[in-house]
Amino acid sequence: DTEVTQTPKHLVMGMTNKKSLKCEQHMGHRAMYWYKQKAKKPPELMFVYSYEKLSINESVPSRFSPECPNSSLLNLHLHALQPEDSALYLCASSLFSGGDYGYTFGSGTRLTVV
Amino acid sequence: EDQVTQSPEALRLQEGESSSLNCSYTVSGLRGLFWYRQDPGKGPEFLFTLYSAGEEKEKERLKATLTKKESFLHITAPKPEDSATYLCAVQERGAQKLVFGQGTRLTINP
Repeated sequence: DTEVTQTPKHLVMGMTNKKSLKCEQHMGHRAMYWYKQKAKKPPELMFVYSYEKLSINESVPSRFSPECPNSSLLNLHLHALQPEDSALYLCASSLFSGGDYGYTFGSGTRLTVV
Repeated sequence: EDQVTQSPEALRLQEGESSSLNCSYTVSGLRGLFWYRQDPGKGPEFLFTLYSAGEEKEKERLKATLTKKESFLHITAPKPEDSATYLCAVQERGAQKLVFGQGTRLTINP
């Protein structure tokens, strides 16, 4: 298995809703990442997990809450989002947090906040 | 602060018309430079990693090269299916993050 799987592919949520994005990989990668990508812009790093521990938080608002229950799974919990949070949320993984041997990205979750 | 600048922003070519995309970077110590291809609404697809000046890598119609200040992605005899946004990203030595350029939107007309 050489994929990063993200679910759901699309999500529409109201500003008072609570939802979660899920990311899974079975490549034995020990680093996992959340990126946010707005239309026609490059991906921007949000969080880095290394060996299931949060190692980087790029000053992301607390309405985004990451969780890494085990080495294969990464969640992003969403609460009280704003319309400007609408974007493509990308999960990525790498063998180690240094990115050696490259990063593998999932197909993303298209999030719309209404 | 790491900076990555890609040019041109957009490029239209006829099928078979070869060209090059540029990625200029500023980083205190380069760990790696990455090229990705991204189709609309999809995640980036890994193409190449380059680690040191003078390095070259090839894959089908694509060839990536690296100098101390920039990287080129050469596309030879492109086909319509090569249409996509091509992203360049750098990773600084000791860092855990990729810094992406703005991308080049490539369109290949049949």
